[in-house]
Amino acid sequence: DAKTTQPNSMESNEEEPVHLPCNHSTISGTDYIHWYRQLPSQGPEYVIHGLTSNVNNRMASLAIAEDRKSSTLILHRATLRDAAVYYCILRRVGQFYFGTGTSLTVIP
Amino acid sequence: NAGVTQTPKFRVLKTGQSMTLLCAQDMNHEYMYWYRQDPGMGLRLIHYSVGEGTTAKGEVPDGYNVSRLKKQNFLLGLESAAPSQTSVYFCASSTGLAGVFDTQYFGPGTRLTVL
Repeated sequence: DAKTTQPNSMESNEEEPVHLPCNHSTISGTDYIHWYRQLPSQGPEYVIHGLTSNVNNRMASLAIAEDRKSSTLILHRATLRDAAVYYCILRRVGQFYFGTGTSLTVIP
Repeated sequence: NAGVTQTPKFRVLKTGQSMTLLCAQDMNHEYMYWYRQDPGMGLRLIHYSVGEGTTAKGEVPDGYNVSRLKKQNFLLGLESAAPSQTSVYFCASSTGLAGVFDTQYFGPGTRLTVL
């Protein structure tokens, strides 16, 4: 199974950077790393994805370890609207395993 | 452009009753998915479809049936509801064109309680 390990919860102060870690030691060479987040009482929404190189988009950055066994989602300035459960997913053909994610609390 | 919509938003069933959840998408996506999310847990894939008229089993298919008669709709059926099926059900869709790049778009969820 393409499973990931994330801390159950994290806290961050508003307007500070947040680094959300994810371990995926069983990753294979063709697995993509996807991140989704789920705001309270909503369906998940896509955040970012990558394969080997670090990636940036308007929502976040994704830093991938050289051996690809771990990755970190970086929110550059946390806002109250970023409070959500963040899921790190290994994406391979026919498989989309979510896991339990990290619940991020943003403190005003 | 409504994206992915789910009907109903809430439902309470008695054990043994049947019901159908409707998912509709207006993005012309090929792939559609049904997930369930139990309290404090991540999403688990029930069934998915890679095109009109096709369906496939996911991680937890038992007790559910699905149909994809029209490209824009994906139905999830419970023939004989059980309390273990109390959960929040999410539908999602994706283009299916990007393989492992494929981004899924989720609906708002249906909260189902089976007494």
